[in-house]
Amino acid sequence: AQTVTQSQPEMSVQEAETVTLSCTYDTSESDYYLFWYKQPPSRQMILVIRQEAYKQQNATENRFSVNFQKAAKSFSLKISDSQLGDAAMYFCAYNDMRFGAGTRLTVKP
Amino acid sequence: GAVVSQHPSRVICKSGTSVKIECRSLDFQATTMFWYRQFPKQSLMLMATSNEGSKATYEQGVEKDKFLINHASLTLSTLTVTSAHPEDSSFYICSALAGEQFFGPGTRLTVL
Repeated sequence: AQTVTQSQPEMSVQEAETVTLSCTYDTSESDYYLFWYKQPPSRQMILVIRQEAYKQQNATENRFSVNFQKAAKSFSLKISDSQLGDAAMYFCAYNDMRFGAGTRLTVKP
Repeated sequence: GAVVSQHPSRVICKSGTSVKIECRSLDFQATTMFWYRQFPKQSLMLMATSNEGSKATYEQGVEKDKFLINHASLTLSTLTVTSAHPEDSSFYICSALAGEQFFGPGTRLTVL
């Protein structure tokens, strides 16, 4: 069974700074998708970024980028120029159905 | 963008009663929908995969007779919590698959 591990229960970043959230996973499959989701206080899940395992190039969406290391089974999320609206729970997910425990990100003004 | 709604957003019921939660894809069709459960300050736990026109596929440890799932149309899936008990109190989230997963806003169930 696939497992997703987020080892940082909480992270804090100063507004306009950069923060990296960690995620590791375990799988025996060679082709899969990895996701980062954001869950603000409203509880509405929002897709932040998606990475296809067969693509070596790291996905980027504006201020959000990932560092995908397939051999190490690592999938970290980098948020640049952090904004107050980035404060939320962030979940890493494997194939869109297996979620990590989440990281609560606080953005300090 | 694709919108998924859930109804009700909140429900309080007495122990022993059944509660139905609806999940609708408003502007697209989805042959596959998912149901998740989220405990306070915890992650989403996949309960089942709902496929239109066929039986749902339940995750290990999820009682299919307690959590009845019906996916009668391409835009509607329902989750019925039968004979609810206080331990069933939780936040239930559905999603619809259309290229990517679109999540509903969730339903908070409180069983007294």
